Amino acid sequence: KNEVEQSPQNLTAQEGEFITINCSYSVGISALHWLQQHPGGGIVSLFMLSSGKKKHGRLIATINIQEKHSSLHITASHPRDSAVYICAATNTDKLIFGTGTRLQVFP
Amino acid sequence: EPEVTQTPSHQVTQMGQEVILRCVPISNHLYFYWYRQILGQKVEFLVSFYNNEISEKSEIFDDQFSVERPDGSNFTLKIRSTKLEDSAMYFCASSEQGSRDEKLFFGSGTQLSVL
Repeated sequence: KNEVEQSPQNLTAQEGEFITINCSYSVGISALHWLQQHPGGGIVSLFMLSSGKKKHGRLIATINIQEKHSSLHITASHPRDSAVYICAATNTDKLIFGTGTRLQVFP
Repeated sequence: EPEVTQTPSHQVTQMGQEVILRCVPISNHLYFYWYRQILGQKVEFLVSFYNNEISEKSEIFDDQFSVERPDGSNFTLKIRSTKLEDSAMYFCASSEQGSRDEKLFFGSGTQLSVL
């Protein structure tokens, strides 16, 4: 069983739609990371959170420690948001990555 | 904005050859990492490095792998005798406080192809 699971695997949306990507983990963690991977392969960290909620621009990340669940929301989605979004859990100093959610936003 | 730089961006090598992948982390960062991603698979942890020593390593990081911070700015990953299955994108990352406390900064990766 994967320690970090994401859903959906693939997601398509029209520009302007509200997007939600889910992440569940089976291990005890000290932090949960959300990252973005562009088609060229580069990885950008979006959020690190250990409780509650964080917001940056149109992106919002939430975590529920008791339910071992996190969500990434994108408001007013735009074609430039098209990428793979990955959650990764950590309780030591290594990240355990999920398999990613491929998001495509069409104009 | 400071960034993690990796060289080369692409490396092609013959099976059995040694390769060194190079990384320059952000200058005030203290925690350094190597991750890899085999084509079509998820990103996997290789090793973390802090205070001039390995702090954690995965099962992938066997005796064929080593890391070094030779001069206070570079952070290298050496694969002594490459195998076909070492073909992957290798990412270096760094942070000031470690991944339990803050985001990591990733380099753009080195695509390693072992023929």
